[in-house]
Amino acid sequence: KQEVTQIPAALSVPEGENLVLNCSFTDSAIYNLQWFRQDPGKGLTSLLLIQSSQREQTSGRLNASLDKSSGRSTLYIAASQPGDSATYLCAGGNFGNEKLTFGTGTRLTIIP
Amino acid sequence: GAGVSQSPSNKVTEKGKDVELRCDPISGHTALYWYRQSLGQGLEFLIYFQGNSAPDKSGLPSDRFSAERTGGSVSTLTIQRTQQEDSAVYLCASSLGPSGGSYEQYFGPGTRLTVT
Repeated sequence: KQEVTQIPAALSVPEGENLVLNCSFTDSAIYNLQWFRQDPGKGLTSLLLIQSSQREQTSGRLNASLDKSSGRSTLYIAASQPGDSATYLCAGGNFGNEKLTFGTGTRLTIIP
Repeated sequence: GAGVSQSPSNKVTEKGKDVELRCDPISGHTALYWYRQSLGQGLEFLIYFQGNSAPDKSGLPSDRFSAERTGGSVSTLTIQRTQQEDSAVYLCASSLGPSGGSYEQYFGPGTRLTVT
């Protein structure tokens, strides 16, 4: 059974800094890992999807990596902005079992 | 194009009543998922539909919960005899699925259910 962990639960950084969010998973048979952001009272917005054959994906200031052997994924945010403040969730899915198992999220606050 | 839509956005019901929650997936997406987000449990999977295959119901918490998907598009999640512990945000997602070559899931805004 896949288990996903995100540490820390909350993070505050000054505007302009680069930062890394961490995600750990227990089952190396993971097929895809997806990063989302959730704003208060809203649904989830997909940020990046990494499939098991890939090691990283980039979108604008965001870069996500996947290391199956160590059971880790990271989301790198460059030049953080106040608008990046949100809860960030990672979720993993195994092949043939497309349901996602979610971490509990990291609540990110960018301080202006 | 239009994203995943859900209705109602908020639902308040009395304990013991039945409720129906609706999800309209992105056009052309063959896979549809229901998740529940509650304070104590985080985000948890409920049920998954893929094309005409039998749904994966492994996440449904009790037999009071059921879901159907008509015509491979709209889905309805039904909760019978609601209990206070059913209070949560119910999220629907869709993806192109294996036939479309992408598992990226797109979420709707959710339905906030409050059972009084």
